[in-house]
Parts: sequence; structure tokens; C-alpha cells
Amino acid sequence: KAGVTQTPRYLIKTRGQQVTLSCSPISGHRSVSWYQQTPGQGLQFLFEYFSETQRNKGNFPGRFSGRQFSNSRSEMNVSTLELGDSALYLCASSTGRQNTEAFFGQGTRLTVV
Amino acid sequence: QQPVQSPQAVILREGEDAVINCSSSKALYSVHWYRQKHGEAPVFLMILLKGGEQKGHEKISASFNEKKQQSSLYLTASQLSYSGTYFCGTAPMDSSYKLIFGSGTRLLVRP
Repeated sequence: KAGVTQTPRYLIKTRGQQVTLSCSPISGHRSVSWYQQTPGQGLQFLFEYFSETQRNKGNFPGRFSGRQFSNSRSEMNVSTLELGDSALYLCASSTGRQNTEAFFGQGTRLTVV
Repeated sequence: QQPVQSPQAVILREGEDAVINCSSSKALYSVHWYRQKHGEAPVFLMILLKGGEQKGHEKISASFNEKKQQSSLYLTASQLSYSGTYFCGTAPMDSSYKLIFGSGTRLLVRP
């Protein structure tokens, strides 16, 4: 059974640009959650999508957006990049039912210069 | 609100025990524990549901006190492989599909 796939693994962008990250969940999983990980801050929740609908949202500015497709693959977009957006972005895949474990991808390391 | 984990870091000798605590200011539906090794994705350890049940995974167990909204992870007779960062994830009662993680506890087990 294939795991969670995130692409690309590494990205370097310039301040002001926009970026799109992709996450392919485990086959059969309908929920994808996105997290931002920075040293000392742990995993900050961005949003969760279930069956193409955003079901939960964290406290990030509107520059951070996402979507989910009918095949459950999800994309996350960050517009007008800032230096502080440099982080590891992780997506987690689950069935979407309560109290089920989430499986994380390897993440996309975004560096904004 | 992000749950508070303590301690922030701990160093152990192989075979010693450790306890990692997780505390939330919100009423919780469940608590999830994950471990992340350097350069790797977080890996699921266990879920605890409201009701105060205790779960175990080899020599790692955890408890959940729903009245205090606190959970503790117990690592018994630690092994070198236990090294990593431990995160608790909390599912609030008002949005139980949303998993909010603490800032993590770094655990280093030395020979």
C-alpha cells in the first residue's frame, strides 16, 4: 500500500512569489490535513479537507489556501510569499472518520529568499 | 489553542523511564501521540479517547484525564530507538476532526 506522497520535496522561492504544493493521500483516504512545521513551533494546523470540502481551518492568513480534488489529492497554495513562510509543510492523510490515525507524508521543504 | 507539552526536552540513559505531559485549555474528544525522528515524517503511536482509558504500545503507554484535559505518555525502559520528538495532538470537542499539535518534546536516549 503506497504511502502519502508530497511533491516537490524541496522548493526555493523568492519573496513575493506564489507556490503550490501537492499531496496524494493513501488510496481510500478522503481526508487531507496540512501543517506547517518550524523549529520551536511544532506542527501548526493550516486546514483540513474532506471529500473536496474544507472542513476545518487554522489561524493562518488568507494567503494560504488549499483545495481537494475528486480523487482526494490536495494542493496547498501560498501567495505573496514572505521570508517567514520558510518551513516544512506536511500533509496528513486519514479516512476522515473520528479517532483514526493520520499518516504523514515526508513533507515539502520551502525556503523563501 | 495549541496544547502545552512538558518537558520541552529530556535526555535519558538507555533503560531509564520518562514521562511526557500534554495539557489543553479546551475540552477534548481525544488525544493522539506521534513520534518524529530527525528528517522523517511523524509516525502515529496511539489514540486516547475521552473516558480516561489507558493504551499501550510495547513499552510505551499513555493515559488521558478528560476532567483535567491532560494526557501523559509513559516510556518505560527506554531504548535507543525511542529518540525523537514526541508530539501530542488534541481533537477539541467543538471540532473533533481538527487535530492541533503541541510544540513537541525532544527525547534523546543515550547508551
